[in-house]
Amino acid sequence: ETGVTQTPRHLVMGMTNKKSLKCEQHLGHNAMYWYKQSAKKPLELMFVYNFKEQTENNSVPSRFSPECPNSSHLFLHLHTLQPEDSALYLCASSQDLPGANYGYTFGSGTRLTVV
Amino acid sequence: KQEVTQIPAALSVPEGENLVLNCSFTDSAIYNLQWFRQDPGKGLTSLLLIQSSQREQTSGRLNASLDKSSGRSTLYIAASQPGDSATYLCAVSFSGSARQLTFGSGTQLTVLP
Repeated sequence: ETGVTQTPRHLVMGMTNKKSLKCEQHLGHNAMYWYKQSAKKPLELMFVYNFKEQTENNSVPSRFSPECPNSSHLFLHLHTLQPEDSALYLCASSQDLPGANYGYTFGSGTRLTVV
Repeated sequence: KQEVTQIPAALSVPEGENLVLNCSFTDSAIYNLQWFRQDPGKGLTSLLLIQSSQREQTSGRLNASLDKSSGRSTLYIAASQPGDSATYLCAVSFSGSARQLTFGSGTQLTVLP
């Protein structure tokens, strides 16, 4: 384990379902991120949270809804997804403060399949 | 547009060989550069982090260099082993991007026993 834990590891959902992905970090970092990794494409940044506040929404469709109740937990709520949303969803955290090294730590990801 | 490019996309070498993976980026104004390893279907494992003020970092058989002026980084793997087989990703935090990472497409490495 890297210190960033994601659950579930695998998820299969229908297009009318509602589900949530969870990410938890025990590193004392203040910034958390959601990335999407599709086959044959570079990782795409989706959302950024810094001290629980969303600082970046990278033109993500509204069927993806993030939630950050505190600096240690990050959720991604999913509803009415499309098959092309099937991907590996990765959570990361970093210490984004002056004097920090800003290195990212990633979780193991959630493999999402939309049927 | 700030971009990160990795060459080659795939590489196959016999065990024991020394090898170099390349990463190039379009803007020399960066906070840092980070190399990751990803095994199939898994998350990313951080290998080395180089700050913009540094020229290289070393960890065991791995050595990463950074040349900001030319927009290049290399990851050198010494005495490669089959267990090194994975996809290696280069990611750059560009200045002005609030320290968000921009990823390359990765180099898929296979080390043959």
